[in-house]
Amino acid sequence: DAKTTQPPSMDCAEGRAANLPCNHSTISGNEYVYWYRQIHSQGPQYIIHGLKNNETNEMASLIITEDRKSSTLILPHATLRDTAVYYCIVRGGGTSYGKLTFGQGTILTVHP
Amino acid sequence: DTGVSQDPRHKITKRGQNVTFRCDPISEHNRLYWYRQTLGQGPEFLTYFQNEAQLEKSRLLSDRFSAERPKGSFSTLEIQRTEQGDSAMYLCASTGQGGEKLFFGSGTQLSVL
Repeated sequence: DAKTTQPPSMDCAEGRAANLPCNHSTISGNEYVYWYRQIHSQGPQYIIHGLKNNETNEMASLIITEDRKSSTLILPHATLRDTAVYYCIVRGGGTSYGKLTFGQGTILTVHP
Repeated sequence: DTGVSQDPRHKITKRGQNVTFRCDPISEHNRLYWYRQTLGQGPEFLTYFQNEAQLEKSRLLSDRFSAERPKGSFSTLEIQRTEQGDSAMYLCASTGQGGEKLFFGSGTQLSVL
């Protein structure tokens, strides 16, 4: 699976949009971009995933560049409860699709 | 949907002792995964099951580690002769056939003294 690069930490004011970048310049054509987050003392939580097109769900939006070498996770109105470690993961298809390679992620701190 | 359940939440043991953790996946999820997470790092894949069959094991899983899923429902992870380096959070996750997202439990925090 392709490697990802994320900033180690970011800050965001409560109520503002949080934009978390991720570089995955070696991504292959059949690899998906996934985002998970992990709140302190809990297991990771799925947020969103995409292949080529931008995606939106009740939690977030995922913007993938046209060349697919980078993406941005957008939390439109961050709250204090969004403070967590956010992991960007590139995952291939096949039977091992639950075998994820987590990096160190981005620590997002939302402050009042 | 009661989520993925792990037991115990915390385990403190002395070096050399054996420990066993249990994971109850979301009912009817046929795929179950074990991960390990050390402080400041992301989770690392250990092994996974499809139903009762263990299909893949990471090189991280030494001979002292064994995992089972005897009836394709709950799973156990046993560590024999624990070492201080085994101290970590052990996470379990599950997904259904064709599932695109993993559902993680809250983990078992192991401390080996």
